[in-house]
Amino acid sequence: DTGVSQNPRHKITKRGQNVTFRCDPISEHNRLYWYRQTLGQGPEFLTYFQNEAQLEKSRLLSDRFSAERPKGSFSTLEIQRTEQGDSAMYLCASSFPGGPSDEQFFGPGTRLTVL
Amino acid sequence: QKEVEQDPGPLSVPEGAIVSLNCTYSNSAFQYFMWYRQYSRKGPELLMYTYSSGNKEDGRFTAQVDKSSKYISLFIRDSQPSDSATYLCAMSALTGGGADGLTFGKGTHLIIQP
Repeated sequence: DTGVSQNPRHKITKRGQNVTFRCDPISEHNRLYWYRQTLGQGPEFLTYFQNEAQLEKSRLLSDRFSAERPKGSFSTLEIQRTEQGDSAMYLCASSFPGGPSDEQFFGPGTRLTVL
Repeated sequence: QKEVEQDPGPLSVPEGAIVSLNCTYSNSAFQYFMWYRQYSRKGPELLMYTYSSGNKEDGRFTAQVDKSSKYISLFIRDSQPSDSATYLCAMSALTGGGADGLTFGKGTHLIIQP
């Protein structure tokens, strides 16, 4: 399967714990995005990487959130001191500008539940 | 007021009907318009990608953009039960979303009754 993969698919944690999610983009894609989707809402942009550089962060990305993309390949999103309001689906997308299209290909998401 | 408004539905229609889904937006900088389909507990999948105003057709799907009215539509002809999903409109000022990502509507939950 050459699509975007995300792990884990589901995560249940207690309030106050730290969690980390991983995204593996399509191999030749140099752009990587993280989005958050809550129930009944569309995805909301969190942050953007071009290769290993994090070039944009939404105001939604509080100080408890940090994202990395070492070596411009996979990316991780860490949430520290989780709160119940962090419960959501976290989606990763990748794209290759200048390719056949600029489409963002989405992964299946990681569903986080904070108890 | 949100940048992108989309009626969440649910919208229920009989099999074979023509479905019309719509979004309005307020940011005149948006130039790229997309429709994604999302099945339950899955990631969004791109259906249509259009630039600026006009129509684009792909099989049973037609996307329309009216920038003067800040209004976009997706039409589905000969709807099938397998079309039952949430349809998300998305838009951006830069191709592919650029550094700002895509701005999505809430999504419309569509149900096609057999």
